[in-house]
This record gives sequence, C-alpha cells and structure tokens, in this order.
Amino acid sequence: SAVISQKPSRDICQRGTSLTIQCQVDSQVTMMFWYRQQPGQSLTLIATANQGSEATYESGFVIDKFPISRPNLTFSTLTVSNMSPEDSSIYLCSVESRGTDTQYFGPGTRLTVL
Amino acid sequence: TQLLEQSPQFLSIQEGENLTVYCNSSSVFSSLQWYRQEPGEGPVLLVTVVTGGEVKKLKRLTFQFGDARKDSSLHITAAQPGDTGLYLCAGRTGGYQKVTFGIGTKLQVIP
Repeated sequence: SAVISQKPSRDICQRGTSLTIQCQVDSQVTMMFWYRQQPGQSLTLIATANQGSEATYESGFVIDKFPISRPNLTFSTLTVSNMSPEDSSIYLCSVESRGTDTQYFGPGTRLTVL
Repeated sequence: TQLLEQSPQFLSIQEGENLTVYCNSSSVFSSLQWYRQEPGEGPVLLVTVVTGGEVKKLKRLTFQFGDARKDSSLHITAAQPGDTGLYLCAGRTGGYQKVTFGIGTKLQVIP
C-alpha cells in the first residue's frame, strides 16, 4: 500500500478566500483522485487528477471552483476557490495503481469556512 | 447511477456483542471493498472481495460477497471499543472505473 500525506490537515478560512490542499505519495501511482466528504454523507468524487493534463471532473464540479494540478506521478494539489460555508467538508486524496483494483486514502483535510 | 445502500446507518452496542452490517445494490460489481474510517482520518482499507460467495476473515471480522456480486456483509464477533468507527463499503464495476461508496455505518462500541 502507498503512504499518502496531505497538507494542511485542517484549516479555518474566511468566505471568499481560496485554499490549496497538497497530496504527496511515497511512490509513483497511476491514478490520483480527490473526494469530498460532507458531514453525514459518503465520499463524493470531485475529479481524477491526470498527470500532465487537465483533470477529469465529475458532474457538479467545475475547474473554476476546484482547480487541480498534477505535475508528476507522486504529487497533486486541489484548490477550493472563492469559498463559502457550503464548502466546509473533509477533502480526501486517494491513489490507485493500475491492476490493483484498490484505492488508498490520505488522512484528509478538514476545512471549515466561516 | 449506481447506488450502494448500507444498513444500519448507526449502531451502538455493548462491548462483547456481535453485529452485522449490510451493503446492498441493484448493480453487479466486479469487486467490493470495505473501509474503516476513524474521526480525523482517511478511510483505511480492510478487505477486497472479488468472487461471488467469497468469504474473508480478518481476526474478528468476517466479510462476505453475495453470490450475485450485488451485496456484501461485514460481521464483527465480540466487538471491542477499538472497532468504533465509520464502516464504508465501496463497489466498482469492471475495468478502470470510478468507485461507488455507500453512506457508511457509524459504529459505537461501548465499554
């Protein structure tokens, strides 16, 4: 299994500001994903971070709101832009290598927007 | 849209009791995973089941994949306070496709 770290682990932000979350993996992985887990809800996939190209977003999520970068096979960032209280959530990075059929998750970033 | 329904959503039991958590869908999955998530942490993989009817054991935890690969169960024997957490099932269809997560079962084991 991969060891995944996320920074920051938590943050409290003001409405209208932006926050960039970093995800670092200890090995090269094929796929990296960003999820949101709102209180009392399950994990919702935001997008697949593609190395060297634009991320693939799920329905209901757009690049202007959640820009994603993936400059190499071990690192990705997710930015939550122009935040509102509705963006308060846990944001999780996950990784998967082709053929393993399993995703591994980072520890998450708990975001509170005031 | 594939849906994974988990039941119960909340469960509070005494230490030493047994419990079963269910994960059901109308879709067929090529594999299904169970995760446990503790507060302030990301989900941690417990098991992957891939064959219809498969049973896997992890100490006091027993996982079963339904014969039709549409449902799964997690049985915990003699629950311990350390079992407390959110249990998530996640199913995937064949190939390199996105995973569908259930809403989770929040388990509390009281000492």
